[in-house]
Amino acid sequence: DTEVTQTPKHLVMGMTNKKSLKCEQHMGHRAMYWYKQKAKKPPELMFVYSYEKLSINESVPSRFSPECPNSSLLNLHLHALQPEDSALYLCASGSTGDTEAFFGQGTRLTVV
Amino acid sequence: AQSVTQLGSHVSVSEGALVLLRCNYSSSVPPYLFWYVQYPNQGLQLLLKYTSAATLVKGINGFEAEFKKSETSFHLTKPSAHMSDAAEYFCAAALYGNNRLAFGKGNQVVVIP
Repeated sequence: DTEVTQTPKHLVMGMTNKKSLKCEQHMGHRAMYWYKQKAKKPPELMFVYSYEKLSINESVPSRFSPECPNSSLLNLHLHALQPEDSALYLCASGSTGDTEAFFGQGTRLTVV
Repeated sequence: AQSVTQLGSHVSVSEGALVLLRCNYSSSVPPYLFWYVQYPNQGLQLLLKYTSAATLVKGINGFEAEFKKSETSFHLTKPSAHMSDAAEYFCAAALYGNNRLAFGKGNQVVVIP
């Protein structure tokens, strides 16, 4: 299995809602990432987990809360988002110490 | 910090013509280098990567890239463009063991029939 699977593919949420994005990989990778991508822009790193511990937080607002329940799963909990948070959210995984990242298909998030 | 430069946001190429996308990195230590392709509303797919084993790297879909340390470059080429090559292409760099990938701004490739 060489895939990173993200659910849902599309999500529309109000500014008072709480929702979660999910990511799963079965490649044995111990590094997992969340990226945010706005239209016509490159992905921006949000969080990095290494061996299920948060190792990098790129000064992301607290309305985004990551969670890594185990080595195969990565969640991103969303609460009180703003319309400008609308974007494609990409999950990726890789071997720790290796820089290659395998990306999922993303979740297209729209905040209304 | 690592930075990656891709010039020209939009690149138009005729079907059957050479595809050339330029990428330059800034680092005194040669980083690991990657080219990713992104089709509309999809994630990023790795085309190829340079990890110091060979300077000419062959990837998927007929693409290849050459690492030139003297020019701090890693340009992507394909001899003959196909309509299916229309997509966004990102060059990225990272130092080994560093989980931060630095992306270039991307090139939107349009293939003209």
